[in-house]
Amino acid sequence: EVQLVESGGGLVQPGGSLRLSCAASGFTFSKYWMHWVRQVAGKGPVWVSRINEDGTTRSYADSVEGRFTISRDNAKNTLYLQMNSLRAEDTAVYYCARATYGQDYWGQGTLVTVSS
Amino acid sequence: DIQMTQSPSSLSASVGDRVTITCRASQNIDKYLNWYQQKPGKAPNLLIYTTSTLQSGVPSRFSGSASGTAFTLTISSLQPEDFATYYCQQSHSPPLTFGPGTKVD
Repeated sequence: EVQLVESGGGLVQPGGSLRLSCAASGFTFSKYWMHWVRQVAGKGPVWVSRINEDGTTRSYADSVEGRFTISRDNAKNTLYLQMNSLRAEDTAVYYCARATYGQDYWGQGTLVTVSS
Repeated sequence: DIQMTQSPSSLSASVGDRVTITCRASQNIDKYLNWYQQKPGKAPNLLIYTTSTLQSGVPSRFSGSASGTAFTLTISSLQPEDFATYYCQQSHSPPLTFGPGTKVD
């Protein structure tokens, strides 16, 4: 069974940093692109970032470019999102998702709240 | 960036109704259009990818098509479990933008 479990969310002050993790199981992690998508309560999902199978290709939404870094450790079957210089508008539930042609499996999400 | 629009933003329907949702992209996205269903408190669920391919396990009452620059999600006979919000997403090029959603209630 494919499982994606996010962790690392929490309350952080503006300007602070957090690192999210996504532990993958039930599939060959190293063979899939992986994505981060976030969603503010009551709003639609917003794509954040993606990384290819071996970590050599990465893309970001304009709103996080230069502040967020996506990475992966295929030996640990884990996806990461390092978030720096956090802003109030980064407050959201963050999901990791496996990708084929679409994002076919999603985690349960982890809540990030940026507030003083 | 490619902008996605959806219509309508919401619709009221009854069990057994045929429901159609339309999505348009601001640029050519070829066939790279996905549809998701989302229920409150849950992650989005992939229904259809590359315009018309049904994701494994998704009921056949869901279908996708394209005509010109318009992409369409059709539910042939609405079931009680289909009341949800539906989003389109382009996966042609990053950023992989989602549409604003259509709430079916």
